Amino acid sequence: DAKTTQPPSMDCAEGRAANLPCNHSTISGNEYVYWYRQIHSQGPQYIIHGLKNNETNEMASLIITEDRKSSTLILPHATLRDTAVYYCIVATQTGANNLFFGTGTRLTVIP
Amino acid sequence: DAMVIQNPRYQVTQFGKPVTLSCSQTLNHNVMYWYQQKSSQAPKLLFHYYDKDFNNEADTPDNFQSRRPNTSFCFLDIRSPGLGDAAMYLCATGQGLDTQYFGPGTRLTVL
Repeated sequence: DAKTTQPPSMDCAEGRAANLPCNHSTISGNEYVYWYRQIHSQGPQYIIHGLKNNETNEMASLIITEDRKSSTLILPHATLRDTAVYYCIVATQTGANNLFFGTGTRLTVIP
Repeated sequence: DAMVIQNPRYQVTQFGKPVTLSCSQTLNHNVMYWYQQKSSQAPKLLFHYYDKDFNNEADTPDNFQSRRPNTSFCFLDIRSPGLGDAAMYLCATGQGLDTQYFGPGTRLTVL
């Protein structure tokens, strides 16, 4: 079962930073926070994940609060191609990496 | 460069007529997953293979079966498709606890 809460939709101006919030107040100590996105008519795409510390890669940054009950995905310079549904997922890394998707946030980047 | 390949991209079947969807990967990952995604909903995990070990989600209907004859291929069999089984079926691969790589999906229509 999904253990995350995300706003259903957000808009962001092209070139500006997109900050997507996620609440995961019941996260367990061994659960990671993953972010995937799904562009229309495509399969989901991995973005980033983290446990406690903030993480950054070529796509995005992930900021996790100290109590780990919430996190924010940051796309530093949103482009039109970033328009997608963004899923925040908490998952344990035991056995296979089973992902349980919630409802996600539909991000629309506006020209 | 295709890493997770799903064939066909679009499949039409008749009510009650068995159908098989296929997935292949060039990543040599040990885990292969099948998800169902209905219109305007998030992907839902059906089952996965960890090497040759099959792991079924508790609420996956018996109508759905899977086969993995070798590392590269995995099949989703729907024994008697109903109208409610019309959906996008997504295959994903992963290496142990690593992130998942999704294919483009097969859109199934049931007439």
